[in-house]
Amino acid sequence: DVKVTQSSRYLVKRTGEKVFLECVQDMDHENMFWYRQDPGLGLRLIYFSYDVKMKEKGDIPEGYSVSREKKERFSLILESASTNQTSMYLCASSFSFRQGARYTGELFFGEGSRLTVL
Amino acid sequence: RKEVEQDPGPFNVPEGATVAFNCTYSNSASQSFFWYRQDCRKEPKLLMSVYSSGNEDGRFTAQLNRASQYISLLIRDSKLSDSATYLCVVNQNAGNNRKLIWGLGTSLAVNP
Repeated sequence: DVKVTQSSRYLVKRTGEKVFLECVQDMDHENMFWYRQDPGLGLRLIYFSYDVKMKEKGDIPEGYSVSREKKERFSLILESASTNQTSMYLCASSFSFRQGARYTGELFFGEGSRLTVL
Repeated sequence: RKEVEQDPGPFNVPEGATVAFNCTYSNSASQSFFWYRQDCRKEPKLLMSVYSSGNEDGRFTAQLNRASQYISLLIRDSKLSDSATYLCVVNQNAGNNRKLIWGLGTSLAVNP
């Protein structure tokens, strides 16, 4: 079974703190994603990575950065947390088109990290 | 107009009912289409991909209408365990999953 593991299910942080959200996948996926999900707004892509050290901004990258030093690990960093970053953060991974027949387009999600910024 | 639109519901149906959801998309160049299921406070999981010819998986049938730019999901003989939010997803880029557009979801409650 594909497993995508997020480091923390629930976090409470204060405004201005630096926050690290870690995600690890065990299926040799080239693609990894960070989304946030908010009521009425759905899933919004923050950052996307298609290879080690490679990243692309998603639709809402402001206030976030990412790191992908190893294929299996994708980290989301909030340099200075703000209250409007209170949200559910979902990491996902998938095979890429380059991985040939294994590519199905399916995304596999972690269980999510619910972040509250006070 | 939103890129992907779904009726948010909620759809309340009795066990055993047949229920159908539609999803419309605005970009005619969209390449591939999916239905995901998300249980309350859980992560989304793929329910089924949607193929041009339509496809069926047990009680679930997915259809694609490119001319009218909508996809549909039909659930027959609804079970209590089908209660969830169903997310329509459209991929605008065949090369990778960078351009996935997610609908806001349709909420289904199946009642005893």
